[in-house]
Amino acid sequence: AQKVTQAQTEISVVEKEDVTLDCVYETRDTTYYLFWYKQPPSGELVFLIRRNSFDEQNEISGRYSWNFQKSTSSFNFTITASQVVDSAVYFCALSEASRSGGSNYKLTFGKGTLLTVNP
Amino acid sequence: DGGITQSPKYLFRKEGQNVTLSCEQNLNHDAMYWYRQDPGQGLRLIYYSQIVNDFQKGDIAEGYSVSREKKESFPLTVTSAQKNPTAFYLCASRPRGRGYGYTFGSGTRLTVV
Repeated sequence: AQKVTQAQTEISVVEKEDVTLDCVYETRDTTYYLFWYKQPPSGELVFLIRRNSFDEQNEISGRYSWNFQKSTSSFNFTITASQVVDSAVYFCALSEASRSGGSNYKLTFGKGTLLTVNP
Repeated sequence: DGGITQSPKYLFRKEGQNVTLSCEQNLNHDAMYWYRQDPGQGLRLIYYSQIVNDFQKGDIAEGYSVSREKKESFPLTVTSAQKNPTAFYLCASRPRGRGYGYTFGSGTRLTVV
């Protein structure tokens, strides 16, 4: 069965610090996709990034960067020079084909990491 | 602008009542999903639908029912059989095919009073 583990329940940092959110996943599929979502206090989940299992290149987007390592089944997320507006719950998610077949690809989410950035 | 609309934002239910949460999307997405979020539990899948007039149970379907009569709409009914319905409910949709992420609605917070 697929599983996503976000071991850090809560992280608190001071503004301008760098912070890394960990994500470890389990899957039997050879083709899969990984995602990160941000959930601000308003509640709506906002898509941040998608990575497929064949592309292990790290990615940087502004202050955000992602480190995908297939060998350790990890997909970690780093925020550089954190800001108060980064305060949110961050979810890592895994998509693979459903066991019943078809074209449905369900997302399995980790339990989330609450990041608090203090001024 | 395209998106997903969930209503109402806040909902109060008396014990023993059924309530229906609305989810409408104008993204022309084939698949739609309902998740429940509890503090410290992450998101758990209740029901999902790939096409009109078809839906499947997720991991915690007991006490819930859905319908998919139109592509745009996927309402969730929380029945009196759901023993602990107080939670935050999120609806999502995605296009057909591998690799697409979800687009989420803004959620409905249900409280039993």
